[in-house]
Amino acid sequence: QQPVQSPQAVILREGEDAVINCSSSKALYSVHWYRQKHGEAPVFLMILLKGGEQKGHEKISASFNEKKQQSSLYLTASQLSYSGTYFCGTEISTGNNRKLIWGLGTSLAVNP
Amino acid sequence: DSGVTQTPKHLITATGQRVTLRCSPRSGDLSVYWYQQSLDQGLQFLIQYYNGEERAKGNILERFSAQQFPDLHSELNLSSLELGDSALYFCASSTVSGRPQFFGPGTRLTVL
Repeated sequence: QQPVQSPQAVILREGEDAVINCSSSKALYSVHWYRQKHGEAPVFLMILLKGGEQKGHEKISASFNEKKQQSSLYLTASQLSYSGTYFCGTEISTGNNRKLIWGLGTSLAVNP
Repeated sequence: DSGVTQTPKHLITATGQRVTLRCSPRSGDLSVYWYQQSLDQGLQFLIQYYNGEERAKGNILERFSAQQFPDLHSELNLSSLELGDSALYFCASSTVSGRPQFFGPGTRLTVL
C-alpha cells in the first residue's frame, strides 16, 4: 500500500532542476506533497485531486496521473531553501473511509 | 506557525513509564492525526480521530492509546515505554479526511 518515492536522495547545485516521483499500486483519490526540514514539522506544499491536474506554487509544481497512479513534483531553478525531505501522501479508500498513506521520503540537498 | 499546538516539547522518561502527549488542533479542524517519526525515518501514521470518534488506525501499538475530547483537543497515551519508543511524535489536524494536514511542532520523547 505504501507509495514508492524516487529517487531516495538527490543533491543539486543552486539553480538546477529536480523531479521527485511518487507511485502507488492502489487507486488514488488524491496526492499530497509535504516538505520537512531537519528537526522541524512537515509543511504542506500542495494537494492534487483526481483529474490529472497540475498545480504550482512559485517554482514548485506537481502533476497527477490518475490512470498510472503516479504523481511527480517538479522543482525548477532550485534555491537553498528547497533543501529538506519531501514526502508524498497518497489518499486511498479503506472501506467506508479514506486514509493517507505516506511514502518514505526523498531527501533533497541544494548546495551553493 | 501552523496553528496546531503540542505539549510538551520535550519529554525524557525511563523505561516502563507512562506519558501523555497533548495536541490542540487548528481552529475549525475536526480531524486529528498522530504520527511517530524515529530518527531519520519516515512518518508512521498511528491513529486518526474525527470529531471525537476514532476514524482510522495505523501502526499503533497496543501499549499506545489516544482520544479526542469534546473541545477537539487530543491526547496520546504511551505506556510501558521501551527504548524503541524514543521518537518525535507529531500531531496534525485537518478540516476533514483528505484535506491538507497541518502539523504541530512535535514532542520529542526520549526513553532512557
